Amino acid sequence: QVHLVESGGGVVQPGRSLRLSCAASGFTFRSYAMHWVRQAPGKGLEWVAVTSYDESNKNYAESVKGRFTITRDNSKSTLFLQMDRLRAEDTAVYHCVRDRTSGLVGTTWGDSWGQGTLVTVSS
Amino acid sequence: DIQMTQSPSTLSASVGDRVSITCRASQTISNWLAWYQQKPGKAPNLLIYDASTLESGVPSRFSGSGSGTEFTLTISSLQPDDFATYYCQQYKSYSSNSYSWTFGQGTKVEIK
Repeated sequence: QVHLVESGGGVVQPGRSLRLSCAASGFTFRSYAMHWVRQAPGKGLEWVAVTSYDESNKNYAESVKGRFTITRDNSKSTLFLQMDRLRAEDTAVYHCVRDRTSGLVGTTWGDSWGQGTLVTVSS
Repeated sequence: DIQMTQSPSTLSASVGDRVSITCRASQTISNWLAWYQQKPGKAPNLLIYDASTLESGVPSRFSGSGSGTEFTLTISSLQPDDFATYYCQQYKSYSSNSYSWTFGQGTKVEIK
């Protein structure tokens, strides 16, 4: 059974950094592309970033490009999101999502989602 | 960038009703579309992919249709467990070797 558990959220001041982690289990993590998707309080879903199975392909939403970095450690089945220069509008629950494919030639849909970790950016 | 627009934003219905939600893409996305259900405080759950393929374990009262720019999610007979928010998501990137997702703004299905 696929299991994705996010951690690392919390309250942080604007301009500071935070690193999120997503521990994966129940499947061969190194074979799948992975995404981060966020949801601001009371709002809809917003895609944030993606990495292919081997990190050869990555992409970011315009709203976070240049500030956020997605990485993965396949030896530890863990996905990361390094968030720098945080803004109030980055406040959201951040979900780790498994893509149905490896990401070698693009991505498809998210077939498994973690429960998310809340990031609050406030002074 | 591809924009996704869902309608309506809110839908009031009763148990047993047939309900439909529409999702429109700003450009053609073939059938590269998924639908998710989300309940308050929970992660989204995949219902349909490739516009009309039901994910394993999802009840058959859910169905998807459409291609190109217009898509529909239909619940044939609304059940108490179906009151939730529904999102569409495009992944045309798969056909163009690029990497991004776009979600619709969501449709909340509430009890009439």
